[in-house]
Amino acid sequence: AQTVTQSQPEMSVQEAETVTLSCTYDTSESDYYLFWYKQPPSRQMILVIRQEAYKQQNATENRFSVNFQKAAKSFSLKISDSQLGDAAMYFCAYRPSNTGKLIFGQGTTLQVKP
Amino acid sequence: NAGVTQTPKFQVLKTGQSMTLQCAQDMNHEYMSWYRQDPGMGLRLIHYSVGAGITDQGEVPNGYNVSRSTTEDFPLRLLSAAPSQTSVYFCASSYRPTSGEAFFGQGTRLTVV
Repeated sequence: AQTVTQSQPEMSVQEAETVTLSCTYDTSESDYYLFWYKQPPSRQMILVIRQEAYKQQNATENRFSVNFQKAAKSFSLKISDSQLGDAAMYFCAYRPSNTGKLIFGQGTTLQVKP
Repeated sequence: NAGVTQTPKFQVLKTGQSMTLQCAQDMNHEYMSWYRQDPGMGLRLIHYSVGAGITDQGEVPNGYNVSRSTTEDFPLRLLSAAPSQTSVYFCASSYRPTSGEAFFGQGTRLTVV
């Protein structure tokens, strides 16, 4: 079965510092997609960053970047220059190719301290 | 474009009652799905659809029914509500092929008493 594991239920970071959220997944597929979603207290699910498994280059979106290790099945999210608005729950998600199904991790609550 | 519209935002039901959560998207997305979010468990897939007239079960389908008569709409029916169905429910849609993101509705907080 395909699974996604986020082993850090809670993390905290000082404003302007860098934090890394961990995610591992299990699959026998070779073609798939990985996502990080942010869920602020408003409950809205917001896409932070995506990674196609066939791309070796790590995705980057402004202050957000990933470390994608396909062989290790690891997909961590790095947030640089953390801001108060980054405080939220973050979900790692896996999506098999040719399906709309997402498999989510348990989530990591990020606290940003001023 | 309204995106994914999900109603209602909040609902309280008594055990045994039935209700329908509505989900509509105006992006002509083929894929639509329903998730429930419970503390410490992330989002889990209830049912999904790859197009009008086609639905399939996800990880936690018991107690829920879906249908997809049009591309735009994908309602979720609770047949006989139970306290274990107290949760936050999300509808999502996405394009085929699957490189694109899933767009989520605002969620429904359902409490069954």
